Amino acid sequence: QVRLVQSGAEVKKPGASVKVSCKASGYSFTGQYIHWVRQAPGKGLEWMGWINPNSGATNYAQKFQGRVTLTTDTSISTAYMDLSSLRSDDTAVYFCARDRGSYDYWGQGTLVTVSS
Amino acid sequence: SYELTQSPSVSVSPGQTASITCSGDKLGEKYASWYQQKPGQSPVLVIYQDRKRPSGIPERFSGSNSGNTATLTISGTQAMDDADYYCQAWDRNTAWGVVFGGGTKLTVL
Repeated sequence: QVRLVQSGAEVKKPGASVKVSCKASGYSFTGQYIHWVRQAPGKGLEWMGWINPNSGATNYAQKFQGRVTLTTDTSISTAYMDLSSLRSDDTAVYFCARDRGSYDYWGQGTLVTVSS
Repeated sequence: SYELTQSPSVSVSPGQTASITCSGDKLGEKYASWYQQKPGQSPVLVIYQDRKRPSGIPERFSGSNSGNTATLTISGTQAMDDADYYCQAWDRNTAWGVVFGGGTKLTVL
C-alpha cells in the first residue's frame, strides 16, 4: 500500500534551517509529483511547492521563494523540504503529499517549532 | 494571485444535509478538490475533479462546481463528519501552483 513517512519533530532557533524528509513506498516514486503543505497552529493549509522526482523540476509558492528548497533522492524514494532563515511564524506542521491531480496520500506531518 | 474563499463555519443537525461552499474567480473552469481534516490528523481527500469520490469515501459525500462556486454536500450528516473541510484548486497563472481555501469548520450538533 502507498505510504509517505516523514521524519520526526524538530525544534530550531530563529535564523536556523530545517530539513524534513518524506519517504515514499508502495508505488513508483518517480511517477508522481510530491507537494509540501504546511499548517500553522490553529490555521489552515498553506501550499509551499512541488517537485517532480523524475526530472527534479520544482515550483515554489511566491511566499517561500528564496527560502525553501525541495529535493529528492530517487535511490531511496525520499523527498526533502529544506526551509532556511526560520522565524517564529514558521512554527507549523509540515506535510508531504502525493499529487495525482489532487492529494490522494499524505504524510503524517512533521512539527517544526521555531523558538529562541 | 488566485484566491479561494470559504465560510469559516457551518452547523448541521445529525441526519440533515450540510453544504460547504468555496468561491473563486471562474472556479468552475478549474477542477476543485475537497479535503476533510480532523484534529491532529492529516487531511483526507473526499472529492476530486469536482465530483468524484475516492475509494472508501461514503456516498453521502458529493461535489459540484459551476460558475464561481464549488460546493461540497454531505447528505445524512453523521457525528463522524464533524471536521474541517478545505477546498483546493490549481492556479495555471503560477505555473500550476496550488491554492487552498481558508477552511470551513463543520459542526454536527
